[in-house]
Amino acid sequence: EDQVTQSPEALRLQEGESSSLNCSYTVSGLRGLFWYRQDPGKGPEFLFTLYSAGEEKEKERLKATLTKKESFLHITAPKPEDSATYLCAVQDTGNTGKLIFGQGTTLQVKP
Amino acid sequence: DTEVTQTPKHLVMGMTNKKSLKCEQHMGHRAMYWYKQKAKKPPELMFVYSYEKLSINESVPSRFSPECPNSSLLNLHLHALQPEDSALYLCASSQGPGQVYGYTFGSGTRLTVV
Repeated sequence: EDQVTQSPEALRLQEGESSSLNCSYTVSGLRGLFWYRQDPGKGPEFLFTLYSAGEEKEKERLKATLTKKESFLHITAPKPEDSATYLCAVQDTGNTGKLIFGQGTTLQVKP
Repeated sequence: DTEVTQTPKHLVMGMTNKKSLKCEQHMGHRAMYWYKQKAKKPPELMFVYSYEKLSINESVPSRFSPECPNSSLLNLHLHALQPEDSALYLCASSQGPGQVYGYTFGSGTRLTVV
């Protein structure tokens, strides 16, 4: 059964303090791994798709990496506006389109 | 247009009411989804429509009834809901169910059942 586990559940950082969020996954065949950002009461906002081990993608202060078992979302010199819940999800090679989400990491960045 | 639009943004309904949630996209996406999200939990899949046909129903109670009138519209009809059905209902779309381009989510409808 496909499974996604994110850690930590919550993370508090000072502005400028870099850190990483972890997403461990088990899937029969990986079609893609997704990172989303979600603000309270809003829909998830797409950040990255990673397809294969060794792949990396960057956007502003965020960098996502992928291995065969896990993905990391690195946040460099975060700002208070980076505070949000970060969701990881996987899609398997079936043609259902279904995403399996992790529980999310809630990030708070204090000025 | 790169958005998924959901209406209404907020809905309060009684347990005997009938209401509908609406979702619209004009990106030419052929797969559309309904997700339910409870507070501090990840989104949970309810339904998948692929090329306007229902392809997945995740054992959702019949008080939730999806409808896809055309490739741009997705509705969720609600009837005789329970207070535990209160949640954020998210609509999403993607280019196709077997393609990996990520979903585009709407902002959601915050539903409260009283």
